[in-house]
Amino acid sequence: KQEVTQIPAALSVPEGENLVLNCSFTDSAIYNLQWFRQDPGKGLTSLLLIQSSQREQTSGRLNASLDKSSGRSTLYIAASQPGDSATYLCAVNFGNEKLTFGTGTRLTIIP
Amino acid sequence: NAGVTQTPKFQVLKTGQSMTLQCAQDMNHEYMSWYRQDPGMGLRLIHYSVGAGITDQGEVPNGYNVSRSTTEDFPLRLLSAAPSQTSVYFCASSPRTARTDTQYFGPGTRLTVL
Repeated sequence: KQEVTQIPAALSVPEGENLVLNCSFTDSAIYNLQWFRQDPGKGLTSLLLIQSSQREQTSGRLNASLDKSSGRSTLYIAASQPGDSATYLCAVNFGNEKLTFGTGTRLTIIP
Repeated sequence: NAGVTQTPKFQVLKTGQSMTLQCAQDMNHEYMSWYRQDPGMGLRLIHYSVGAGITDQGEVPNGYNVSRSTTEDFPLRLLSAAPSQTSVYFCASSPRTARTDTQYFGPGTRLTVL
């Protein structure tokens, strides 16, 4: 069964620190992996999309990496800010017309 | 562009009632989809469409109907609401396909079925 896992479910980090969020998936034959941000009571905002042929993508303070052989992706956030507090969701496309989502990591940046 | 819009934002139904959740996008996207989000579970695909006149079932389609008569609109119909359909519903769209495109999500509809 194709599954996506995000551990830990919650993470608290002091402001200014660099941090890494983890995503693992059970099938290495993926088409793409997407990281989203979700604020409480809001929709999902796309952060980064990594295609199967890519190893990483960067946007500002965010860097996402992809290692298909180990079934892992990481989202690196540099110099964290209180505004980064949100739930971060990882979603994988395994070659069909849907995304398989993890349950997310709730990130709190402590001022 | 307004992006992906959803109405209503909140809805309360009684068991057995029917209703339609509206979704529209103004980006001329071919691919549209509906997901539901439940506590402790990842978002799950209900139905999707790869273009006007074409729809298909996702992971959890039972109790829901969709149609795609225009590129812009993709309504989700609950035929006879059940408490198990209490959830937050998200509509998403992308230019062509979920295999390669960034997915853009709407703000969601929070549905409670009593």
